Amino acid sequence: ETGVTQTPRHLVMGMTNKKSLKCEQHLGHNAMYWYKQSAKKPLELMFVYNFKEQTENNSVPSRFSPECPNSSHLFLHLHTLQPEDSALYLCASSLRQDTYNEQFFGPGTRLTVL
Amino acid sequence: AQRVTQPEKLLSVFKGAPVELKCNYSYSGSPELFWYVQYSRQRLQLLLRHISRESIKGFTADLNKGETSFHLKKPFAQEEDSAMYYCAPGANYGGSQGNLIFGKGTKLSVKP
Repeated sequence: ETGVTQTPRHLVMGMTNKKSLKCEQHLGHNAMYWYKQSAKKPLELMFVYNFKEQTENNSVPSRFSPECPNSSHLFLHLHTLQPEDSALYLCASSLRQDTYNEQFFGPGTRLTVL
Repeated sequence: AQRVTQPEKLLSVFKGAPVELKCNYSYSGSPELFWYVQYSRQRLQLLLRHISRESIKGFTADLNKGETSFHLKKPFAQEEDSAMYYCAPGANYGGSQGNLIFGKGTKLSVKP
């Protein structure tokens, strides 16, 4: 699969579990993003990495921990989540963090917290 | 704070009818403006951006700075246009430069 890939596509976890979401892009992009898409709410930006440096943390609770080991990979580590964290988590990438650059989105990970 | 409003959650039209999806933004300065679309079972993707002044799949979007609007229009809707449409101005302040701020989206349904 080309473009932006995300694994797993579906994840069910208990509140005491620890899991990680993975995002990968082979587009040569240098900026990567995590979004949360909940029902009845607009797409919410969570984190941004630009050239492997975190440039945005949009007041996200510490139970979400991002990691960007290189420009092609982005992780979202999850621990002690709450049921209200159930949502679709989207990863995106762009050439760089710039107003004029198109963002390319992955298919998302559907997360359910029991 | 920068905000974007898409007043219609659902817009239903018949095939061949004109369609206009509204978007208003509350911004200082001149943000870059985008429309993203999500077709059924597909990922979110860029439809068009203001700076390109282009028409994609028959859609155009005109920036009205006086009204701070960036409405998406198509003169003759097709069934394959049925999708979720998101207006997304780009943040233009401080460290958030380049981030997109998405509206809640409008679901367009084109009936045969």
